[in-house]
Amino acid sequence: EIVLTQSPTTMAASPGEKVTITCRASSSVSYMHWFQQKSGTSPKPWIYDTSKLASGVPDRFSGSGSGTSYSLTISSMEAEDAATYYCLQRSSYPLTFGSGTKLEIK
Amino acid sequence: EVQLQQSGAELGKPGTSVKLSCKVSGYNIRNTYMHWVNQRPGKGLEWIGRIDPANGNTIYAEKFKSKATLTADTSSNTAYMQLSQLKSDDTAIYFCAMDYSVNWFAYWGQGTLVTVSS
Repeated sequence: EIVLTQSPTTMAASPGEKVTITCRASSSVSYMHWFQQKSGTSPKPWIYDTSKLASGVPDRFSGSGSGTSYSLTISSMEAEDAATYYCLQRSSYPLTFGSGTKLEIK
Repeated sequence: EVQLQQSGAELGKPGTSVKLSCKVSGYNIRNTYMHWVNQRPGKGLEWIGRIDPANGNTIYAEKFKSKATLTADTSSNTAYMQLSQLKSDDTAIYFCAMDYSVNWFAYWGQGTLVTVSS
């Protein structure tokens, strides 16, 4: 089973600040996928195939990485970006999620 | 528009079973995979397994192999998950999610809260 380790677990960012969330895999994966979840709602696809933004995702978001190290970056934090972000690998079964990064606005 | 409508909240006693449903509208489930994911209170997402509704093939995470049973009815475009031998730590929200084209987990249901309590 591929274990995904996200960091940080929680963080707070000021409006306009650059944010980077990382996801490290215990074995190499082909792509990383990211989901956004706000309290009391279902997760939403956010970034797929490492760097492609899902429909409706603002272009201040970007994704990058390869092998065992991937990241989600927000170029300029906005209040609406406060949420929990999860990475997911689908390179091998069982599919696994990272433990999540809770991002708050300062 | 693709929509996934999950069944309502369940209260189950320890040792019993519950069966959750996920009805899809706007897309034929024969053309995709259906996944199930849980989220325990205050915790993260956990993949349970997936079914190919076209042929019934399933893949489960190891810890759910004796807990969850995934089925699908293509005539009603609905996926199901039965949870057996309920224990208190099965208390969670259970989501169904659907792949769409190259986008895995492109659409999600609203979630079903399962509470296990005597």
